[in-house]
Amino acid sequence: NAGVTQTPKFQVLKTGQSMTLQCAQDMNHEYMSWYRQDPGMGLRLIHYSVGAGITDQGEVPNGYNVSRSTTEDFPLRLLSAAPSQTSVYFCASRGGQAYNSPLHFGNGTRLTVT
Amino acid sequence: AQSVTQLGSHVSVSEGALVLLRCNYSSSVPPYLFWYVQYPNQGLQLLLKYTSAATLVKGINGFEAEFKKSETSFHLTKPSAHMSDAAEYFCAVSVNTGFQKLVFGTGTRLLVSP
Repeated sequence: NAGVTQTPKFQVLKTGQSMTLQCAQDMNHEYMSWYRQDPGMGLRLIHYSVGAGITDQGEVPNGYNVSRSTTEDFPLRLLSAAPSQTSVYFCASRGGQAYNSPLHFGNGTRLTVT
Repeated sequence: AQSVTQLGSHVSVSEGALVLLRCNYSSSVPPYLFWYVQYPNQGLQLLLKYTSAATLVKGINGFEAEFKKSETSFHLTKPSAHMSDAAEYFCAVSVNTGFQKLVFGTGTRLLVSP
């Protein structure tokens, strides 16, 4: 099993550009989520999905869009990149509730916005 | 809303010394508590979890944590540090309301010197 796969690993954008961070999982997990990791701030939840066609906002959703058309894929879109979105982004999935199923993380996408 | 506080952004120990990483939680309902570990350039992986069974929880790589309700704590310990333990450690909390989301602490970087 590949687990959770994120692409690209690294990306540099100019302010105002748009891009999509890709996330795919092959574990048939219902729950998928996007976090951003910033120094001294830990991981903060951006958006999450509890199944195909269902998404919801996390703590820091502004500037990001998501959709979930299939169980496997959960892309994160930056519509107009800003320097404040420079961060490491992690996609994570889970097969059940938190108490009985760990989050499986991808290896991250390091994004720099200049 | 639930939250966790990790005391100390960096902890330094010598190889063979006791490791103690502190985590305090805040929750108005019984929490589920987790420790995740992140090695360089990787995503997070589950170290151990407390889900209201035994208060002393054993995890991978010789780590354990004790849930103390009276102190609202879930500190992570390991009797003897190994060089390979050098990583960033995150405490996280979830509660059994709706589909459980994890809230992460800000992380503690463990440095192990020879």
